[in-house]
Amino acid sequence: GNSVTQMEGPVTLSEEAFLTINCTYTATGYPSLFWYVQYPGEGLQLLLKATKADDKGSNKGFEATYRKETTSFHLEKGSVQVSDSAVYFCALSDPNRDDKIIFGKGTRLHILP
Amino acid sequence: DGGITQSPKYLFRKEGQNVTLSCEQNLNHDAMYWYRQDPGQGLRLIYYSQIVNDFQKGDIAEGYSVSREKKESFPLTVTSAQKNPTAFYLCASARVKTSTDTQYFGPGTRLTVL
Repeated sequence: GNSVTQMEGPVTLSEEAFLTINCTYTATGYPSLFWYVQYPGEGLQLLLKATKADDKGSNKGFEATYRKETTSFHLEKGSVQVSDSAVYFCALSDPNRDDKIIFGKGTRLHILP
Repeated sequence: DGGITQSPKYLFRKEGQNVTLSCEQNLNHDAMYWYRQDPGQGLRLIYYSQIVNDFQKGDIAEGYSVSREKKESFPLTVTSAQKNPTAFYLCASARVKTSTDTQYFGPGTRLTVL
């Protein structure tokens, strides 16, 4: 079945460091891919998405490119801030599977000042 | 402001009691969802609804029930049949139920069963 695998956390970085959070997926058909962010005690917010191969989603300095050949959607940011500390979820939605969204387990990110 | 509200934020119940979690949206969205989140886990789908008076089971529906009598409301009842109900519950909505449509999440309800 469809699945999403993210790198395990926590990930701890210093402010202004480069961030990569790896995400790979398994799916039939052509899924849409998402990154959601969850700040402490809150619900999830969509960070960015891509709906077809080679699309790049971007928002708030974060970006991710839909790579069909490697079935990946890695999240990157060039210079992280303390306010980026949160849990990040990679997810996919497959139109061939009743459009259900499958979430990864999440990666907790700590940014040190 | 448009959005999704969930209440209460924290809920405590004794074992064996049913409890209902509220979810309201004023985004005029057709689709609504309930997820459960456990520590270190991703979100798991409990129930979803594409339209008023219709809903479908998700991956972990056992021990839960829902209703969709109004477009803006999708309450979730955690029954005594749910073996391990303590968790963080998230409600979401989307304009329509398609693979590309963004889901918008409420702030969540943390349920603790004593």
